[in-house]
Amino acid sequence: DAGVTQSPTHLIKTRGQQVTLRCSPKSGHDTVSWYQQALGQGPQFIFQYYEEEERQRGNFPDRFSGHQFPNYSSELNVNALLLGDSALYLCASSVQETQYFGPGTRLLVL
Amino acid sequence: QKEVEQNSGPLSVPEGAIASLNCTYSDRGSQSFFWYRQYSGKSPELIMSIYSNGDKEDGRFTAQLNKASQYVSLLIRDSQPSDSATYLCAVNRGRKGGADGLTFGKGTHLIIQP
Repeated sequence: DAGVTQSPTHLIKTRGQQVTLRCSPKSGHDTVSWYQQALGQGPQFIFQYYEEEERQRGNFPDRFSGHQFPNYSSELNVNALLLGDSALYLCASSVQETQYFGPGTRLLVL
Repeated sequence: QKEVEQNSGPLSVPEGAIASLNCTYSDRGSQSFFWYRQYSGKSPELIMSIYSNGDKEDGRFTAQLNKASQYVSLLIRDSQPSDSATYLCAVNRGRKGGADGLTFGKGTHLIIQP
């Protein structure tokens, strides 16, 4: 049984660019949450998708947007990248009880 | 503002001893509590979840919850060098922990000395 997968593993962008990160949940999981983890910090909740709708959102600007597809996979889009967006982006999938994390995408903004 | 506080460490424990990790949270509406382990450069890995006051044991790990004191702890018995990692405490309001955004502490860096 494949766990949560994310792509790409690493990404380098320049300020002002846009980026799309992808996540496939564990088999049987219908909920996808996205987190941003800066170096030395705990993950910060960005938003959660369920039934193709954004169900809950953390304290992140509108530059951060997402989408969930009918097969429950999800994308995180970040527009107008800032240097401060450099972080590990984590996707977690769940089906009510517990959130399981994927390996993450490490984004570097230059 | 929901907050989760952890001592960042490093917490250094001799091999074979008990490691005790602590976490406090500010949101009295929190109902689900989790401990994740994160190795350097890797993603968080679930160790334990706890929903009710008291102790919950799983192998060498014991989670303790005291909602009145807004306190969660993790005990690791017979600590091994492979337990050296950052331990993240996470909470959320949902009774089902997957259906709500998690609020994380900054993590405690644990070092097990051989």
